[in-house]
Amino acid sequence: AIQLTQSPSSLSASVGDRVTITCRTSQDISIALAWYQQKPGKPPKLLISDASSLQNGVPSRFSGSGSGTEFTLTISSLQPGDFADYFCQQFDSYPPITFGQGTRLEIK
Amino acid sequence: QVTLRESGPALVKPTQTLTLTCTFSGFSLSTNGMCLSWVRQPPGKALEWLALIDWDDDKFYTPSLKTRLTISRDTSNDQVVLTMTHMDSVDTGTYFCARMRTGSAFDVWGQGTMVTVSS
Repeated sequence: AIQLTQSPSSLSASVGDRVTITCRTSQDISIALAWYQQKPGKPPKLLISDASSLQNGVPSRFSGSGSGTEFTLTISSLQPGDFADYFCQQFDSYPPITFGQGTRLEIK
Repeated sequence: QVTLRESGPALVKPTQTLTLTCTFSGFSLSTNGMCLSWVRQPPGKALEWLALIDWDDDKFYTPSLKTRLTISRDTSNDQVVLTMTHMDSVDTGTYFCARMRTGSAFDVWGQGTMVTVSS
């Protein structure tokens, strides 16, 4: 199974900050990586697919980059609604489909 | 509009079998490339993919739970059913169904259904 390692596991930041979350995979997955945002009591919401393709309706302050085994999700200027959990997921090779362990983004 | 809705018992006893239903609308699971998965999330923890069924009725399971899981579809009612046998307290969590196309991410999720395993 392809392992995904996210860092950091938690992050404190302020409104207006630029933050970056990293996801490393145990083998090359090309660009078969997605990023999700999840708020308490809600399902995950797809932000980015294919490593860098922003989903319709997702603000442009979110961006994704990377290929192979290292990927990043960047939020250029944090807004109040961005404080949530973030997960990466690979869909290159399954079963199993695998997720990262998550990053909790909290208000400083 | 594409929607997914999970249903099933909120409480099951240890050793019992869990049956969950995902009722979907707005798309056809028979469309080439279309897939539905089940994903679960223990309270406060990460997402875990469980199973997938595709447009061709192929089925895939997470290896660690493969012996306990069965995924099936009812095309006449636009439903996908997941059964999980031998439930234990560690299986407590929210169970989501999610849509994906082959080689792509989960673009639509249900709201999830919380399942507690307790005697």
